[in-house]
Amino acid sequence: ILNVEQSPQSLHVQEGDSTNFTCSFPSSNFYALHWYRWETAKSPEALFVMTLNGDEKKKGRISATLNTKEGYSYLYIKGSQPEDSATYLCASPNDYKLSFGAGTTVTVRA
Amino acid sequence: DGGITQSPKYLFRKEGQNVTLSCEQNLNHDAMYWYRQDPGQGLRLIYYSQIVNDFQKGDIAEGYSVSREKKESFPLTVTSAQKNPTAFYLCASSILPGTVYEQYFGPGTRLTVT
Repeated sequence: ILNVEQSPQSLHVQEGDSTNFTCSFPSSNFYALHWYRWETAKSPEALFVMTLNGDEKKKGRISATLNTKEGYSYLYIKGSQPEDSATYLCASPNDYKLSFGAGTTVTVRA
Repeated sequence: DGGITQSPKYLFRKEGQNVTLSCEQNLNHDAMYWYRQDPGQGLRLIYYSQIVNDFQKGDIAEGYSVSREKKESFPLTVTSAQKNPTAFYLCASSILPGTVYEQYFGPGTRLTVT
């Protein structure tokens, strides 16, 4: 089982503030890195699939960076809003499967 | 609307009974997956299927069985051999097998076995 770790496990952020959190994964035989957002009472939905070292992807106020050589990815939320409250999962491939981290749960306080 | 449906949302069973969780997709995706979530843990893969009539064990397949007779359907049976069946179960699909393709998830089924 591939070891994908996320930190912190949870964080609280004031509305309007920016935040970021980390996903680490084994850097050998890197293939891709996925980020998903999982809001309460909804299904997880894909944010990004990243494949290139140094890649940066953006969707609205959310962006992600990737460092495949050192085995980490950051997810950034700029100007957090209450609708950003969710658990953010990262996943890295292992053969034809994805290994998921335990997630970072973000709570945005109004 | 295209998507993945799972039914039922909540399921209760007595210990010793087999139970089948439904997963249907109308996205025309080739690959389908079953995950289990327990508190404080990441999603763990139970079984996956890359194509119709084919499926592979994931990391925690013991006590589970699946079938893939139709492209759109991938039911999961939780057997009495599964020691800790109470969990939240998620079904997912991707357009093709392979891990550069994002996965689309259903709403999940929460199974409680007493």
